[in-house]
Amino acid sequence: GQNIDQPTEMTATEGAIVQINCTYQTSGFNGLFWYQQHAGEAPTFLSYNVLDGLEEKGRFSSFLSRSKGYSYLLLKELQMKDSASYLCAVRDQVGGGFKTIFGAGTRLFVKA
Amino acid sequence: DTGVSQNPRHKITKRGQNVTFRCDPISEHNRLYWYRQTLGQGPEFLTYFQNEAQLEKSRLLSDRFSAERPKGSFSTLEIQRTEQGDSAMYLCASALGTSAYEQYFGPGTRLTVT
Repeated sequence: GQNIDQPTEMTATEGAIVQINCTYQTSGFNGLFWYQQHAGEAPTFLSYNVLDGLEEKGRFSSFLSRSKGYSYLLLKELQMKDSASYLCAVRDQVGGGFKTIFGAGTRLFVKA
Repeated sequence: DTGVSQNPRHKITKRGQNVTFRCDPISEHNRLYWYRQTLGQGPEFLTYFQNEAQLEKSRLLSDRFSAERPKGSFSTLEIQRTEQGDSAMYLCASALGTSAYEQYFGPGTRLTVT
């Protein structure tokens, strides 16, 4: 089966660094996504990792360890606008293509 | 390009009625996905299309749900005999190519079944 675990909520201070962890189990792993979703809005793509290691993109970085079934999203220099849900999702190969399985999301609260 | 659009944005219906939602993907995107999202949860995969072919359908999807993409462009999702448990946000996403990973989401259709 497929299973994705991430913390329900986190709180951090403006200007700080926060790490959001995700563990997963899947049969046809073909990459891991992080999406950001503000309340009442659609998810927006942040990152995609298919190989082990760290991918950096501005203030956001994403790490993947396939052998451990583990990923994290690192947010630096936190801003108030970073308050949102962060969705970990796994790309699973099925049939003739792929489907994406999402975790429940981590709600991040950034306080002043 | 205006991105993925969905209509209607909100739908209130009585239990037992049928509803149909429409998704218009980004024009050159050949892959189209439908998801359902309830409060506090991540999007739940429902089905996806590559061009007009429906390649995968969630086993969680009852036979009251059907989706089509007749010309490989827009798609419709129909729910027959709606139940209160169908109340959710229905999201559509599209992607380019056969191996593209980044999905672009539409704003969603919020369904309320009374």
